Amino acid sequence: DTEVTQTPKHLVMGMTNKKSLKCEQHMGHRAMYWYKQKAKKPPELMFVYSYEKLSINESVPSRFSPECPNSSLLNLHLHALQPEDSALYLCASSQEEHKETQYFGPGTRLLVL
Amino acid sequence: AQSVAQPEDQVNVAEGNPLTVKCTYSVSGNPYLFWYVQYPNRGLQFLLKYITGDNLVKGSYGFEAEFNKSQTSFHLKKPSALVSDSALYFCAVRDRDNNNDMRFGAGTRLTVKP
Repeated sequence: DTEVTQTPKHLVMGMTNKKSLKCEQHMGHRAMYWYKQKAKKPPELMFVYSYEKLSINESVPSRFSPECPNSSLLNLHLHALQPEDSALYLCASSQEEHKETQYFGPGTRLLVL
Repeated sequence: AQSVAQPEDQVNVAEGNPLTVKCTYSVSGNPYLFWYVQYPNRGLQFLLKYITGDNLVKGSYGFEAEFNKSQTSFHLKKPSALVSDSALYFCAVRDRDNNNDMRFGAGTRLTVKP
């Protein structure tokens, strides 16, 4: 089983809203990732968690706040977003950071009004 | 630093014909190389990877890729294209000697026409 699940599939929010994106995997992977993807562009790495600790933050604005409650779950908390933050947000996992294949979820399509 | 180049934004082929999607890479150490496919409004699906060993790698859905160290290339190929292969294809590289994160190419839109 190489499945990564993400909820919700679609999200529309105003610039004053607070919302959260959720990601889950049950493959026993110890590294989890958040990517942002704009239309017709490659994914851009945002955050990496390794063994439930934040390993990499690619200079992401503080209006994005990641959280890793346990080894299977990864959240991305959103607050005071801007319209330019509208994108497809992808979660991925791999057995360990920097090793082997990353498996991606289907993504959450976010629209900020 | 590591980088990936996909020189073609768009590749068009007729159904039944062979297809090639090009990828070249640059790493300071030895590469891990990956191909992913993305269908509209979907996440990335893993197709195949090169870690070590045979230069010809076979993957999902009849795709294969050949690692060429001298040309620093990892082109994706399929002998006979299907209309359902139409999608966005991303090549990615990781420098396994320097523990860097994966870097994606800009993507190539493959269109297979009936």
